[in-house]
Amino acid sequence: DAKTTQPTSMDCAEGRAANLPCNHSTISGNEYVYWYRQIHSQGPQYIIHGLKNNETNEMASLIITEDRKSSTLILPHATLRDTAVYYCIAPFDQFYFGTGTSLTVIP
Amino acid sequence: DTGVSQDPRHKITKRGQNVTFRCDPISEHNRLYWYRQTLGQGPEFLTYFQNEAQLEKSRLLSDRFSAERPKGSFSTLEIQRTEQGDSAMYLCASSEGGPSYEQYFGPGTRLTVT
Repeated sequence: DAKTTQPTSMDCAEGRAANLPCNHSTISGNEYVYWYRQIHSQGPQYIIHGLKNNETNEMASLIITEDRKSSTLILPHATLRDTAVYYCIAPFDQFYFGTGTSLTVIP
Repeated sequence: DTGVSQDPRHKITKRGQNVTFRCDPISEHNRLYWYRQTLGQGPEFLTYFQNEAQLEKSRLLSDRFSAERPKGSFSTLEIQRTEQGDSAMYLCASSEGGPSYEQYFGPGTRLTVT
């Protein structure tokens, strides 16, 4: 059963910030939220994870709401190479990826 | 760092044949995962190992599927009596032990059953 829900698809203009939402209202207090992306015909790639605090790395930022019921992955300056399927998962006791959000970056 | 490797990258087999795939994880990673992915779907978890111990198996893993990790390093996934429904991408991932689920995926093995 899915612990996370994501929109099926999104578009973003090249150079703009891409904000990808994820709802995870049923996760427990000690469950991390992980984000991966999968570019066509490649294996998924780890992006970032977080528990309560916002996180940032060289790829993206992760904003988690205070109630931990949702989060947003932010790609600050989307490029064409960011076109991919993005998965938000809460793998504490299962490894369910769902169908993710297909992000298309438009030139 | 050579990353996770999988062999073969592509396999075409006839229905009823047995196939075996190999996964070599990142050397210091003691967790190894197998997933299956069909077109338009996300990866579906099959099983995972902590060192040589198989700790969890999905109900998707029928008795025709078996996975091993005999020395806690590489792993094999065997499918016996393949069916057309087994056609998929088979992905392997590895991670460090402990609470981290930061998994590093290989390129996958594309299986086509004719």
